[in-house]
Amino acid sequence: AQKITQTQPGMFVQEKEAVTLDCTYDTSDPSYGLFWYKQPSSGEMIFLIYQGSYDQQNATEGRYSLNFQKARKSANLVISASQLGDSAMYFCAMREGTLKNNFGNEKLTFGTGTRLTIIP
Amino acid sequence: EPEVTQTPSHQVTQMGQEVILRCVPISNHLYFYWYRQILGQKVEFLVSFYNNEISEKSEIFDDQFSVERPDGSNFTLKIRSTKLEDSAMYFCASSYTELEQYFGPGTRLTVT
Repeated sequence: AQKITQTQPGMFVQEKEAVTLDCTYDTSDPSYGLFWYKQPSSGEMIFLIYQGSYDQQNATEGRYSLNFQKARKSANLVISASQLGDSAMYFCAMREGTLKNNFGNEKLTFGTGTRLTIIP
Repeated sequence: EPEVTQTPSHQVTQMGQEVILRCVPISNHLYFYWYRQILGQKVEFLVSFYNNEISEKSEIFDDQFSVERPDGSNFTLKIRSTKLEDSAMYFCASSYTELEQYFGPGTRLTVT
């Protein structure tokens, strides 16, 4: 089974609208972390936001927020007021275990990504 | 703002040649990683490194691959005898805690 599933290969959104990128995950580890990365056409991987499995509140970073629904095992990225510069590939990733308690499980497992295109 | 750097940005090599990809992680970070992304595919974990030793490696990371932290700042990935299927973007990443992993800009490796 896939550990990270991103079901939207591509999305087109009008500028200034909010957009939700879906991510579901699969793990039996009670301690895990979820990450979102942006990959523009230039190729670099830009870290956007992190959500820990024990975090009580949804993570937010500027225009990015993470809609974390633990029971549903989903961690959707919400981008408010989209801009043309948001056009990129977006990857959801998961780390299982913690560095302190589960040494060696700090690798990230990535989904297949969603290509977001913002239309002017 | 501190960042992970990688050199070269693009490397072209012939099949069977050795390549060394270089990374300078963020200076106070303790954990280091290599990932690769074959064109159009998802990012795949290769190896993690902590306290001067490999902490985990994937099945991709076979005997042709090795990593080294030769001094206090550099972190290198060596591919001993490159194959066509090694063509990919290689990302170095580093972290201080489990709350982040910062990626470098990548090295695009082309094996001909």
